[in-house]
Amino acid sequence: DVKVTQSSRYLVKRTGEKVFLECVQDMDHENMFWYRQDPGLGLRLIYFSYDVKMKEKGDIPEGYSVSREKKERFSLILESASTNQTSMYLCASKLSGAAYNEQFFGPGTRLTVL
Amino acid sequence: QKEVEQNSGPLSVPEGAIASLNCTYSDRGSQSFFWYRQYSGKSPELIMSIYSNGDKEDGRFTAQLNKASQYVSLLIRDSQPSDSATYLCAVLPSGGYNKLIFGAGTRLAVHP
Repeated sequence: DVKVTQSSRYLVKRTGEKVFLECVQDMDHENMFWYRQDPGLGLRLIYFSYDVKMKEKGDIPEGYSVSREKKERFSLILESASTNQTSMYLCASKLSGAAYNEQFFGPGTRLTVL
Repeated sequence: QKEVEQNSGPLSVPEGAIASLNCTYSDRGSQSFFWYRQYSGKSPELIMSIYSNGDKEDGRFTAQLNKASQYVSLLIRDSQPSDSATYLCAVLPSGGYNKLIFGAGTRLAVHP
């Protein structure tokens, strides 16, 4: 079974803090994704990575950065957290190739910025 | 901006009925379509994928795709209370390269 884990289920931070969210997958997937999920807006892609050290912006990258130094780990960084970044953050991974379409999601991190 | 639209619900159906969930998408070149189920407080899980026009059945679930109308639906037969969840429609647009676009989801409530 594919397992995607995230470092925290719940996180509370203060405005201006630097925040690290970590995601680890154990199935050697090339592609990893960071989404945020807000009521009424669905899942929105922040960044994704298709290989180690490779990254591409998603639909809402502003205020975020990412790091992928190892294949199994993809980190989301909020350089200076703001209250509008309060959200549920979901990490996902998938294999490359047209035959592999399923994205496997981690349990999510609910981040509150005060 | 490529979009995926779903009615937010809640869609309330009695146990044993057919639940019909609908989704429209804006990118006519989209080729791959997915339905994810998300229980409250949990992460999404894939339940159906469909790539060609027509119906695809898997147990109590049937996905229907009509590319001409840019419409994809999910039917759940013999609905159970355990089907109560939010159902997310996701579309891989043309040139999407793994970048799914998700709808906001439809909340389904199956009552005994």
